[in-house]
Amino acid sequence: EAGVVQSPRYKIIEKKQPVAFWCNPISGHNTLYWYRQNLGQGPELLIRYENEEAVDDSQLPKDRFSAERLKGVDSTLKIQPAELGDSAVYLCASSLDRVTDTQYFGPGTRLTVL
Amino acid sequence: RKEVEQDPGPFNVPEGATVAFNCTYSNSASQSFFWYRQDCRKEPKLLMSVYSSGNEDGRFTAQLNRASQYISLLIRDSKLSDSATYLCVVNVFQKLVFGTGTRLLVSP
Repeated sequence: EAGVVQSPRYKIIEKKQPVAFWCNPISGHNTLYWYRQNLGQGPELLIRYENEEAVDDSQLPKDRFSAERLKGVDSTLKIQPAELGDSAVYLCASSLDRVTDTQYFGPGTRLTVL
Repeated sequence: RKEVEQDPGPFNVPEGATVAFNCTYSNSASQSFFWYRQDCRKEPKLLMSVYSSGNEDGRFTAQLNRASQYISLLIRDSKLSDSATYLCVVNVFQKLVFGTGTRLLVSP
């Protein structure tokens, strides 16, 4: 069974540029998460989707971050414009239904903002 | 105060040693608890859930003390392959909150 797929794996951009990350969850998983992980820290939730509905986006910096999950499958996370402090690993995860179901993480996108 | 606190380590142990990690959480309403493992530059993976009665999976034992808001992970007979960062994770109001992780280095 294929795991969570993310692309790109690495991205280097200059500040003020836009950037987008893509995630394809495990087939059949209804819940999708975007996390950000800074160096030396644990992942922090940005947004959680149940099917196509964003049910928890309280931690998403909405002035510059946006996300969508069209048709309840793939998801895209966008930053516009990027700031130096956005440099981090952006992880996508999925689970069958509930938050307490095992969350499977993708390999992440390592973003460097110069 | 952080919602989930862990000693970042690193814990340096020889092969075959027993090592224990602790974690404390601040929200008494926390509902479920997990340990995840993260290898260097890799994604986190679920190691085990933590139950009030304690649970064991091979060389790994997890314990939960709700009264003290404390979670532990014990690894017996450490292997080189156990070298990784161990993340304590707490479900707080339907959101997983991760600790900063404890780094373990097992040497020959």
